[in-house]
Amino acid sequence: DAGVIQSPRHEVTEMGQEVTLRCKPISGHDYLFWYRQTMMRGLELLIYFNNNVPIDDSGMPEDRFSAKMPNASFSTLKIQPSEPRDSAVYFCASSKTRTGELFFGEGSRLTVL
Amino acid sequence: EDQVTQSPEALRLQEGESSSLNCSYTVSGLRGLFWYRQDPGKGPEFLFTLYSAGEEKEKERLKATLTKKESFLHITAPKPEDSATYLCAVQSGGGYQKVTFGTGTKLQVIP
Repeated sequence: DAGVIQSPRHEVTEMGQEVTLRCKPISGHDYLFWYRQTMMRGLELLIYFNNNVPIDDSGMPEDRFSAKMPNASFSTLKIQPSEPRDSAVYFCASSKTRTGELFFGEGSRLTVL
Repeated sequence: EDQVTQSPEALRLQEGESSSLNCSYTVSGLRGLFWYRQDPGKGPEFLFTLYSAGEEKEKERLKATLTKKESFLHITAPKPEDSATYLCAVQSGGGYQKVTFGTGTKLQVIP
């Protein structure tokens, strides 16, 4: 069974550009999470969805960040405009209902110059 | 707000030298405590779930234990392939599925 699939794996962009990260969760999982990982702050929860509905977006840093889940098999995290401080590894994870056992993708490493 | 503190930040062991990693937590109504392993360039990989104080789980050379305030990940006779960052996470009570991670302990096992 395929795991969580993220794209792109690496993205290098210039400040001010729009960045879109994509995620395909594991089929049958009801929850989808977006995390950001940096050396200084570790893994930070940005937003999570239940049955395609955003439940908690309190971790989204600011209005430049937005996330959507148009259907059960696809989600996007968009940053517009991007800034150098957004440089990090962004992980998508999915899980079955109410369990804390998260299945992570391999991450998207974003570098904003 | 849920908080997870892990120590030490980094640990270097000789192969076969047993040790423990610590995870202290503050949470309103613990639903579960989780241990993950993360290899460089990869996403975290689930290891264990602990639900209540006194519970223990084992997997190969790893054993996780839980008290009311902290969890320990004991590594017995580690091998170089156990080198990784170990992350602790908590899920709080209530109706929502929110998992909060610590910053991890980077373990290096030297042959």
